[in-house]
Amino acid sequence: GAGVSQSPSNKVTEKGKDVELRCDPISGHTALYWYRQSLGQGLEFLIYFQGNSAPDKSGLPSDRFSAERTGGSVSTLTIQRTQQEDSAVYLCASERLAGVPSRGYNEQFFGPGTRLTVL
Amino acid sequence: GENVEQHPSTLSVQEGDSAVIKCTYSDSASNYFPWYKQELGKGPQLIIDIRSNVGEKKDQRIAVTLNKTAKHFSLHITETQPEDSAVYFCAAKKGQNFVFGPGTRLSVLP
Repeated sequence: GAGVSQSPSNKVTEKGKDVELRCDPISGHTALYWYRQSLGQGLEFLIYFQGNSAPDKSGLPSDRFSAERTGGSVSTLTIQRTQQEDSAVYLCASERLAGVPSRGYNEQFFGPGTRLTVL
Repeated sequence: GENVEQHPSTLSVQEGDSAVIKCTYSDSASNYFPWYKQELGKGPQLIIDIRSNVGEKKDQRIAVTLNKTAKHFSLHITETQPEDSAVYFCAAKKGQNFVFGPGTRLSVLP
């Protein structure tokens, strides 16, 4: 079956513009995560969705960042008034939650990422 | 919160040799420890994982060991091949929170 897909694969924008990044998780996966990866760095957690709700937004770096998820499927990450320090690869991952979520024994599958460059 | 450290940051081995990458975590409540391989321009791919009730898991040339008392876990790759060259990330999970290590760049020299 299809994996996690993200669009666009690359986005170049000018400082101050808004951008919207899209993630299509694996069908049936109820949990969805957004991460940011700067060049040569590890993964920085941004936000997590369980269904359409976001119980953990603690990683969003500023109020310029927001995310939503509708229908328990597609998610969009919006960055308003982009800054050069927002340049990074934005990764989305989905996870099928089965049984008791707090057990945490579920695999997380990543999409290919969106490379954002803010000029 | 959880903190995951990973060593070494870079590792070069000769083809056919073994490679070992080590991670430590701080939160004893973390109970799931996946390892990811990330090739250039791609998203991380899960290669092996281990749960807190298991001490070791093996899948062909890849193995992971977990020491809950010491709060560290390791990735072992035997008989390395050039296609194993990539960045490897460890992670620790508690509840729905994944915390990743900073990554290890592995180069397998032919």
